[in-house]
Amino acid sequence: QVQLQESGPGLVKPSETLSLTCTVSGYSISSGYYWGWIRQPPGKGLEWIGSISQSGSTYYNPSLKSRVTISVDVSKNQFSLKLTSVTAADTAVYYCARDWVAVSMDVWGKGTTVTVSS
Amino acid sequence: QSVLTQPPSASGTPGQRVTISCSGSTSNIGSNTVNWYQHLPGTAPKLLIYSNNQRPSGVPDRFSGSKSGTSASLAISGLQSEDEADYYCAAWDDSLNGWVFGGGTKLTVL
Repeated sequence: QVQLQESGPGLVKPSETLSLTCTVSGYSISSGYYWGWIRQPPGKGLEWIGSISQSGSTYYNPSLKSRVTISVDVSKNQFSLKLTSVTAADTAVYYCARDWVAVSMDVWGKGTTVTVSS
Repeated sequence: QSVLTQPPSASGTPGQRVTISCSGSTSNIGSNTVNWYQHLPGTAPKLLIYSNNQRPSGVPDRFSGSKSGTSASLAISGLQSEDEADYYCAAWDDSLNGWVFGGGTKLTVL
């Protein structure tokens, strides 16, 4: 059974960098698929951030592209998100998911709450 | 504001059939398939329907999806109390070259 678990700081100061990691179990990242990040600000809908393949190919939401870097570590079966220059608008629950590009995001983590505040 | 449009709320009584709509455009729903997710706060979103009308293993056949043009809908028949949750539609967007979501519909079982 494939499972994903997000981890990282729950509080980030404005202008700093948000860093999160998603650990995958029950499936080897190197076997395929893309792996993505999605967020949900309080009281709002879901927003796709970007995704990465096992070989490191990425595609990002154009609205966040200038601030986002997604990387993968197949040896640890993890992929990570970095979001720079954060503001209060980046406060959200952040989810990671397995991305079957253009078909579905079929397995999700439970999410981790990140608050941007001084 | 979400790219896909859903009603913010829906409701029904146990045993009823309810439908949730999702409206998009030619670059997303009009060109690609639609997925539906069930989400309870604090839990992982669960894929209910993929490719417009396909159910992953383990999803009851009470849940069904359809698509026509640039709109899609999720139907839940034989409504149960445990169906009370938030429901989101999603589709690939060719203009964005990425995923877009609806704003979510909160389903209340009266």
